[in-house]
Amino acid sequence: DTEVTQTPKHLVMGMTNKKSLKCEQHMGHRAMYWYKQKAKKPPELMFVYSYEKLSINESVPSRFSPECPNSSLLNLHLHALQPEDSALYLCASSQYRVSNQPQHFGDGTRLSIL
Amino acid sequence: AQKVTQAQTEISVVEKEDVTLDCVYETRDTTYYLFWYKQPPSGELVFLIRRNSFDEQNEISGRYSWNFQKSTSSFNFTITASQVVDSAVYFCALEGAQKLVFGQGTRLTINP
Repeated sequence: DTEVTQTPKHLVMGMTNKKSLKCEQHMGHRAMYWYKQKAKKPPELMFVYSYEKLSINESVPSRFSPECPNSSLLNLHLHALQPEDSALYLCASSQYRVSNQPQHFGDGTRLSIL
Repeated sequence: AQKVTQAQTEISVVEKEDVTLDCVYETRDTTYYLFWYKQPPSGELVFLIRRNSFDEQNEISGRYSWNFQKSTSSFNFTITASQVVDSAVYFCALEGAQKLVFGQGTRLTINP
């Protein structure tokens, strides 16, 4: 079982809907990440939080809005998404946001935009 | 700029064969970290190994072994006596600018 829990596992939404993806870890990690992965491609970094503060935004469109309410929880709020946003969204955490820390990933949320 | 190249897009072998996944990287940093992750069909990326640039010792963990050669900028991964459960996509990654840079991945299929 993964130590990073993502919900929901699958999500289908229309372009006008608002939904949220949730990620939780209880390993005491202080860095958390959102990645987007298209089929047959590697994960692409979207956001990085360090000590609950946003430290990296990889020029992600504003229809994706991250939130880190506390050190264990990371949300990704979705609004007015486009069909090309359909992908696997992966959450990860690491002890700290430094180079030598391996990231631990969740199972992901498979998102389909109608 | 950081770059990771996994030239093998797909590999298919019969169970019990040995298989090596290649990884070549580019970086100008003197201190860096390399990783291998496994992604089964379920989607989760499973961390396999981390290697820092100052440690060129090869590592063995059960049927898995890793060969790090700084001179050729390579960090290859070998599975000995492969099993069907090893079927997955394997990513090599380089930590650069505090971000993970992934290779394109190698899809490994182990046939019974």
